[in-house]
Amino acid sequence: ETGVTQTPRHLVMGMTNKKSLKCEQHLGHNAMYWYKQSAKKPLELMFVYNFKEQTENNSVPSRFSPECPNSSHLFLHLHTLQPEDSALYLCASSQGWPDTQYFGPGTRLTVL
Amino acid sequence: AQSVSQHNHHVILSEAASLELGCNYSYGGTVNLFWYVQYPGQHLQLLLKYFSGDPLVKGIKGFEAEFIKSKFSFNLRKPSVQWSDTAEYFCAVRFGNNNNDMRFGAGTRLTVKP
Repeated sequence: ETGVTQTPRHLVMGMTNKKSLKCEQHLGHNAMYWYKQSAKKPLELMFVYNFKEQTENNSVPSRFSPECPNSSHLFLHLHTLQPEDSALYLCASSQGWPDTQYFGPGTRLTVL
Repeated sequence: AQSVSQHNHHVILSEAASLELGCNYSYGGTVNLFWYVQYPGQHLQLLLKYFSGDPLVKGIKGFEAEFIKSKFSFNLRKPSVQWSDTAEYFCAVRFGNNNNDMRFGAGTRLTVKP
């Protein structure tokens, strides 16, 4: 399954680091999403981009900054994260909103 | 506030047993409903979805779900499970017509014994 790819697959960073997560979809979709999956908690929708425009920001702290330069690419820029931000970050895309979402494999982030 | 509940955290069944996983939500308006599955080592993928029409929805791999509006439920069923159905199952609900609010349940882990 190569429809939605995410890099890196694993990331360890200190609280003062700046890093970025990348997502790319090869499905010709118009909408892209960032989710956070923490242990024993429901999947949390963080950001929604529809036709490159951000349409949803579910009260996500400003230390997470999304960027969607085109409909195929989505970034999540990370800055001065906290240990509680350690989680699996999933990217997804869909043809429209709402519609079936296709998920990537995720980036396992550990903040030390 | 809108919420999605999956009350079964871990279900263990033998092959050929029938399956029903519960999903309830709290919201009185229009909803779109989804079941996603994550097999071990694989991505989340859609099992089935309901937007409108027949409340009994059939999905892939013999799964079905029934939307009961009066009970705010969208339970997932399969008459006879297989070992390959071992996975984590997530119910998801989009609330409202123009609202971008989509929430997932905490997931139910299904283990099927051969």
